[in-house]
Amino acid sequence: NAGVTQTPKFQVLKTGQSMTLQCAQDMNHNSMYWYRQDPGMGLRLIYYSASEGTTDKGEVPNGYNVSRLNKREFSLRLESAAPSQTSVYFCASSLSSGTGGFYEQYFGPGTRLTVT
Amino acid sequence: KNEVEQSPQNLTAQEGEFITINCSYSVGISALHWLQQHPGGGIVSLFMLSSGKKKHGRLIATINIQEKHSSLHITASHPRDSAVYICAVVSSNTGKLIFGQGTTLQVKP
Repeated sequence: NAGVTQTPKFQVLKTGQSMTLQCAQDMNHNSMYWYRQDPGMGLRLIYYSASEGTTDKGEVPNGYNVSRLNKREFSLRLESAAPSQTSVYFCASSLSSGTGGFYEQYFGPGTRLTVT
Repeated sequence: KNEVEQSPQNLTAQEGEFITINCSYSVGISALHWLQQHPGGGIVSLFMLSSGKKKHGRLIATINIQEKHSSLHITASHPRDSAVYICAVVSSNTGKLIFGQGTTLQVKP
């Protein structure tokens, strides 16, 4: 099993450009999450999908959109990138069909995004 | 003030030392997670606990719900334990995870 995979691993964007971060899991998990990690701050939840067909905002959703394409895949889109979105982005999944706190979360390797 | 505070923020130890990382929180919780982030960036779950104590190999996690405090202990530390250790609590209000800022541990040979 590959676990949770993310593409790309690195990306540099210019302000105003758009891009989609891809995430897939092969563990048949119901819930998937997008986090961002910034220096000196803990991981912060951007969006999550408790189950296929549902998505909800997390702590810092502004500037992002998500799509739960099917049970395996959960993508994160930046429509008009800003320097404040420079960060490391982690996708995660868990077995639960709730907000996921009670189940072990499995993390992808991360995407390092720089917006200039 | 952050809802989840970890101490220390940085820790350097000699190989073989006993290490303690602390996590204090100010919100009501249903459970608490300890995670490890490797130098390469990957994050793995170490423990999830809601009471008492759990042990896995050289790692021990404890939680005191009344005192709103958890500790992660590493016995006989090794350079491969060098990583960032992250505490995250499950908010009893929202069910979502709230993360601490992490403790960076370096174990020197």
